[in-house]
Amino acid sequence: NAGVMQNPRHLVRRRGQEARLRCSPMKGHSHVYWYRQLPEEGLKFMVYLQKENIIDESGMPKERFSAEFPKEGPSILRIQQVVRGDSAAYFCASSPRLRQGVEKETQYFGPGTRLLVL
Amino acid sequence: LAKTTQPISMDSYEGQEVNITCSHNNIATNDYITWYQQFPSQGPRFIIQGYKTKVTNEVASLFIPADRKSSTLSLPRVSLSDTAVYYCLVGDPRGLQTGANNLFFGTGTRLTVIP
Repeated sequence: NAGVMQNPRHLVRRRGQEARLRCSPMKGHSHVYWYRQLPEEGLKFMVYLQKENIIDESGMPKERFSAEFPKEGPSILRIQQVVRGDSAAYFCASSPRLRQGVEKETQYFGPGTRLLVL
Repeated sequence: LAKTTQPISMDSYEGQEVNITCSHNNIATNDYITWYQQFPSQGPRFIIQGYKTKVTNEVASLFIPADRKSSTLSLPRVSLSDTAVYYCLVGDPRGLQTGANNLFFGTGTRLTVIP
């Protein structure tokens, strides 16, 4: 049973280019979350998606960032016109569908994509 | 989301028991306490989760006093491979309050196991 997959693992972009980060959740998981981690800091929540729906994007910057989780295919975090401050590790996590009466749901994290903006 | 406070770093010798305490004074009724482990260049990995009293699994134990304002992660007989950052998180995993299910990570505790 494959875990959460992210690609690419490393991505280098020049300022002004676009970055596309992909996340394939664990099999059977319909919830996806994106987090950003700067060096020596904890992860910061960005966005929470279900299939074809954005549930919570309170942690997403208002400009240049967007996320989607289409009916088919991986979830994509898209950063337009990247700047040096976007350099970070971006982690995706997935969890199963919340079920009635289930008290806890664990998020399973992928290995991350390390974005470097030159 | 309830804020957590934990030591920035800890050192321990191999074979010792390590206890990492986390303070969460503003924990809400629906909140659970979850601990994650993160190795360098990897994503966080779930260790243990609890609501009250004591929870034990094959990796660790979690002690939660009655007032739930703090919790202690206990790692028995640590080895060099336990060197990592450990995050204490408090939140409602069912997302009943916010409709979301995101996790708030603080800066964590950097555990270094010494030979």
